[in-house]
Amino acid sequence: GQQLNQSPQSMFIQEGEDVSMNCTSSSIFNTWLWYKQEPGEGPVLLIALYKAGELTSNGRLTAQFGITRKDSFLNISASIPSDVGIYFCAGPYGNKLVFGAGTILRVKS
Amino acid sequence: EAQVTQNPRYLITVTGKKLTVTCSQNMNHEYMSWYRQDPGLGLRQIYYSMNVEVTDKGDVPEGYKVSRKEKRNFPLILESPSPNQTSLYFCASSLSAGPGANVLTFGAGSRLTVL
Repeated sequence: GQQLNQSPQSMFIQEGEDVSMNCTSSSIFNTWLWYKQEPGEGPVLLIALYKAGELTSNGRLTAQFGITRKDSFLNISASIPSDVGIYFCAGPYGNKLVFGAGTILRVKS
Repeated sequence: EAQVTQNPRYLITVTGKKLTVTCSQNMNHEYMSWYRQDPGLGLRQIYYSMNVEVTDKGDVPEGYKVSRKEKRNFPLILESPSPNQTSLYFCASSLSAGPGANVLTFGAGSRLTVL
């Protein structure tokens, strides 16, 4: 099936640092989504992107829908300990929603 | 509270012993789906349902069955579980299929171990 390539696989950063992660696909997507999963919980939607080139913010999080429609980026500014979790990109493929493998974020305080 | 409820949250079972993981949503959502999460592989879709009595295979349907007799419930059935089905399972729902299906609400997960 369709695969989304997400990188990096994991990050261990110092509190206060900025974080960047990205997701690429071999196919064009019309929507890009970013979810966060905290330990012991299901994923929760952070940001949804619906137009190529779109830049959307949610607090310290900013996500961009790549111009080619084959990639998306998520940035977290001034990380804090509660940013810990797994971040997934996702996109619709027919009636399915496909996910990347996730970026594990750990924050050192 | 609007939510997706899965049960059981944790289960240890043995190979071949049939089990069912229940999923219920109280948001009148049309679209429901099951995913499994494995380290390094992200979330992979098992089955989905676009409405009552309409189900379809996802990317990894082998060894699983589902049914959608009522709008709110979407149980996942493992007729003869095997160790490679040890995983963390998530049920999710959305108001509708199509663009709206992208905004999924997830349950808290069911961790299944098959010995």
